[in-house]
Amino acid sequence: AQKITQTQPGMFVQEKEAVTLDCTYDTSDPSYGLFWYKQPSSGEMIFLIYQGSYDQQNATEGRYSLNFQKARKSANLVISASQLGDSAMYFCAMREAGFQKLVFGTGTRLLVSP
Amino acid sequence: DGGITQSPKYLFRKEGQNVTLSCEQNLNHDAMYWYRQDPGQGLRLIYYSQIVNDFQKGDIAEGYSVSREKKESFPLTVTSAQKNPTAFYLCASSNPRRQGSSNQPQHFGDGTRLSIL
Repeated sequence: AQKITQTQPGMFVQEKEAVTLDCTYDTSDPSYGLFWYKQPSSGEMIFLIYQGSYDQQNATEGRYSLNFQKARKSANLVISASQLGDSAMYFCAMREAGFQKLVFGTGTRLLVSP
Repeated sequence: DGGITQSPKYLFRKEGQNVTLSCEQNLNHDAMYWYRQDPGQGLRLIYYSQIVNDFQKGDIAEGYSVSREKKESFPLTVTSAQKNPTAFYLCASSNPRRQGSSNQPQHFGDGTRLSIL
């Protein structure tokens, strides 16, 4: 069965510093996709970045990058140069090929201080 | 602009009452989803639909019902059988038939907060 684990309930970082949010996953399917979403206090879920299981390079999207270690089944999100607007909940999610549903972790609350 | 519209933003339910949450999308997506989020937790799938007139139960479908009569619309009814309906409900859509279907993200609405009176 698919499972996503986010072990950090909360993280604190100062503005302009980099932060890593951890995500480990469990699946027996060799083909899968990993997603990170941001949820501000207003509630909407904002898609940040995607990593496919067969992708040779780590995904990057602006200040977001994904540290994908397939053998360790981890897909950590790295946010560089944190901004106050990055304060939010962050969710890691996985989808196996052939299935439409996403399985979400419990999330990490990030607080960026001035 | 294309997007997903959920209404209402806040909803209150009386005991024994059914309530319906609206979800409309103009992204021309085939697949739509309903998730429930409880405080401090991730999202759990209630129902999903891959095409019109077809839908499947997710992980926590008991006490909920859906319909998919139009591509753009996927309303969720919270029935009186759902004994703990207080939660944040999120609707999402995706286009699984696009190339590399596993990499298509789901796009979410702004959510509906449901509480019991």
